[in-house]
Amino acid sequence: QVQLLQSGPGLVKPSQTLSLTCGISGDSVSSNRAAWNWIRQSPSRGLEWLGRTYYRSKWYNDYAVSVKGRITINPDTSKNQFSLHLNSVTLEDTAVYYCARGVVGATTNWFDPWGQGTLVTVSS
Amino acid sequence: QSVLTQPPSVSGAPGQRVTMSCTGSSSNIGAGYDVHWYQQLPGTAPKLLIYGNYIRPSGVPDRFSGSKSGTSASLAITGLQAEDEADYYCQSYDNSLSPNWVFGGGTKLTVL
Repeated sequence: QVQLLQSGPGLVKPSQTLSLTCGISGDSVSSNRAAWNWIRQSPSRGLEWLGRTYYRSKWYNDYAVSVKGRITINPDTSKNQFSLHLNSVTLEDTAVYYCARGVVGATTNWFDPWGQGTLVTVSS
Repeated sequence: QSVLTQPPSVSGAPGQRVTMSCTGSSSNIGAGYDVHWYQQLPGTAPKLLIYGNYIRPSGVPDRFSGSKSGTSASLAITGLQAEDEADYYCQSYDNSLSPNWVFGGGTKLTVL
């Protein structure tokens, strides 16, 4: 059974960097059949896919246009985890952040399981 | 505004059948991308309910079913139970801004 456990601060100051980590048990961050995603949820933006990292003989990253240039997702094979870094945050980045495993489907991925979620508030 | 459109709310009495829709466009559902559904109980993370339009993961009761046609998809719940009260989200892929996995705005199910 795959489980994802998130960690990281719940309060970030404007213009600083939001950093979260997602620990994986029951699967490998280096799996050739999965992708490791970050998704956020807020009342104003709903559920929003942010980006992913995945391994297919080498490492790849994909990022949503809405956060491209501010986001980095890194795998850590030694700890079997992956991280999210979102810089230059504003009040609009306040949301519940989830990590999720992307499962490869016939036409598109689905997300299963999800981490427990981390409420990140951007405030001075 | 979410890329996939869902009704904000639906309701039904225990034992009844309810359906909820997920409407997309030619760049997502209509382009042939599969639709997946999630259930989010209050204060918890979304949980996969249906994948590949109609496939139930192990452990999901057969009271839940999914379908897809054209640019829309539907989730049906039969034999409604109090514990089904939750938010339900559809998800697919949109090729207008690649890569881009997209979600509906969610439907709040109230069990009367």
